[in-house]
Amino acid sequence: DAGVTQSPTHLIKTRGQQVTLRCSPISGHKSVSWYQQVLGQGPQFIFQYYEKEERGRGNFPDRFSARQFPNYSSELNVNALLLGDSALYLCASSPQWGGTDTQYFGPGTRLTVL
Amino acid sequence: GQSLEQPSEVTAVEGAIVQINCTYQTSGFYGLSWYQQHDGGAPTFLSYNGLDGLEETGRFSSFLSRSDSYGYLLLQELQMKDSASYFCAVRGDYKLSFGAGTTVTVRA
Repeated sequence: DAGVTQSPTHLIKTRGQQVTLRCSPISGHKSVSWYQQVLGQGPQFIFQYYEKEERGRGNFPDRFSARQFPNYSSELNVNALLLGDSALYLCASSPQWGGTDTQYFGPGTRLTVL
Repeated sequence: GQSLEQPSEVTAVEGAIVQINCTYQTSGFYGLSWYQQHDGGAPTFLSYNGLDGLEETGRFSSFLSRSDSYGYLLLQELQMKDSASYFCAVRGDYKLSFGAGTTVTVRA
């Protein structure tokens, strides 16, 4: 079975631009979460979506938004990019919503903001 | 909020045993997970402890003491391919909260 997939793998943007990152969960998984990982640190939680509804949001500005589609895939949007948004953006999926399920991560999108 | 502490680096030789400790402070706790991440790669799930005690998965074992807010990951029979970053992560209501990671370097 395919794991979590993300696109694109790498992206270079300039300050002020907007970016959309995409994620397809493991088949049968209904929950998608997004994390930001800055070099040398652990992943930081951005959003969780379950059944197309936002279930949790981390401490990120409103420039970050996301949505989940009927097929459970998800997009993360970041507006007005800053240099500090350069990071690895990870998507994770789990079967259900809540703390009892293991989250499985995709390979990530490496975003560089110049 | 959550805070997790784990050592930043550990170096050991092939065949050795390494223990990575993790202490945490959190509100809303389902359990402690461990992930492995090689340079440039995705975090890969290794182990989960929802209850106190030891969980064994091949060469890797993980332990949890909820009363002490403490857990550890034990890597046995170290191999070169085990060189990676290891993260402990608290499972909360809807998210994982990660530590800063422990870089394990395995020497020949």
